[in-house]
Amino acid sequence: NAGVTQTPKFQVLKTGQSMTLQCAQDMNHNSMYWYRQDPGMGLRLIYYSASEGTTDKGEVPNGYNVSRLNKREFSLRLESAAPSQTSVYFCASRKQGALARHTQYFGPGTRLTVL
Amino acid sequence: AQKITQTQPGMFVQEKEAVTLDCTYDTSDPSYGLFWYKQPSSGEMIFLIYQGSYDQQNATEGRYSLNFQKARKSANLVISASQLGDSAMYFCAMRELAQGGSEKLVFGKGTKLTVNP
Repeated sequence: NAGVTQTPKFQVLKTGQSMTLQCAQDMNHNSMYWYRQDPGMGLRLIYYSASEGTTDKGEVPNGYNVSRLNKREFSLRLESAAPSQTSVYFCASRKQGALARHTQYFGPGTRLTVL
Repeated sequence: AQKITQTQPGMFVQEKEAVTLDCTYDTSDPSYGLFWYKQPSSGEMIFLIYQGSYDQQNATEGRYSLNFQKARKSANLVISASQLGDSAMYFCAMRELAQGGSEKLVFGKGTKLTVNP
């Protein structure tokens, strides 16, 4: 049981390049999330997916797109990377339901630098 | 306006002593929950403790307890008998309802705790 996994762990991009951050969970969770963490800030929600087939914008969605590929996988795409997107990106998941705990479980993070 | 406020950018504590990390929140939703996460220097986010707004008793998990004062809208984390391994960033977060019956978390800016030997 790996929990939440993210690839890659580190990435350096040039301005204007595109890339996709991958996230997978093996806990059969319904909801998945993408956050970014900047220095001196807490985590801020980029996009989330309440269930397979649905996605919604969070607090800072501009410059990103997401795909909920199936129940396990939730990817984050940067179409044209900008230096302002230099950050650490965390994926998280949560089991949804009346009896489910509210806890979100986080992946190890992806450290992205845009030059 | 900030929904989660952590007023202590940094805290220091002696090993084996107790420490309280402050968190205040702002919501008009009667149903909500407060979390504390730990982020060591290695970067992962580790869930510590959760308190629901309707929970009658303060949450406890081992050396961690949550001092929940609903009227004051505060949810302070108390770490008893601090250990060197407790040195980390600590984030308070609040769950909010989101689209599709889901929930999302709003985080504070964190408190950096340093435990001195």
